Amino acid sequence: ELKVEQNPLFLSMQEGKNYTIYCNYSTTSDRLYWYRQDPGKSLESLFVLLSNGAVKQEGRLMASLDTKARLSTLHITAAVHDLSATYFCAVTVSGTYKYIFGTGTRLKVLA
Amino acid sequence: NAGVTQTPKFQVLKTGQSMTLQCAQDMNHEYMSWYRQDPGMGLRLIHYSVGAGITDQGEVPNGYNVSRSTTEDFPLRLLSAAPSQTSVYFCASSRDGPKRNVLTFGAGSRLTVL
Repeated sequence: ELKVEQNPLFLSMQEGKNYTIYCNYSTTSDRLYWYRQDPGKSLESLFVLLSNGAVKQEGRLMASLDTKARLSTLHITAAVHDLSATYFCAVTVSGTYKYIFGTGTRLKVLA
Repeated sequence: NAGVTQTPKFQVLKTGQSMTLQCAQDMNHEYMSWYRQDPGMGLRLIHYSVGAGITDQGEVPNGYNVSRSTTEDFPLRLLSAAPSQTSVYFCASSRDGPKRNVLTFGAGSRLTVL
């Protein structure tokens, strides 16, 4: 059974600081995705990571994937208040169409 | 382009009642799925479909039924609601499955079972 774990679950940080969210998964996966969810809203896609060593960046967010370690990171550089949201990683189970999400990391950036 | 449309947005049920959450997409996506979101548990896959007439179970299928008679619609049925089914439900679709495409999510349906 595929398990996807994120840490931390909650993160409160000051503006201008850097931090990393970690996503570990337990079995072989085809793809890794990062999504963002604003309070009371739906989810929107941030990144798709397709292979070992993949790195994607947009603005102050950078995601990377290490398939050998079964680990993805979402790095936040010089955080701003607008980045406050819940971030989810998700993986697909190899050989299936199941798309499994992590528990989410609730990020709060303090001014 | 409406994307993924879910109805209703809010619903209150009594234990034992039945209801259907509707999901429709206008993007001609083959893949559709239902998730429930509970605090501290992320999103959990209930059922999914890879095309009309084809459905399969996800992580937490018990208490829910689905069908896929058309490409556009993927309703989720609760046959006998229980308080444990109180949750926010999201429908999501993609062009040809999560192996190739990101999911597009609906706005969510908040269900409370008393």
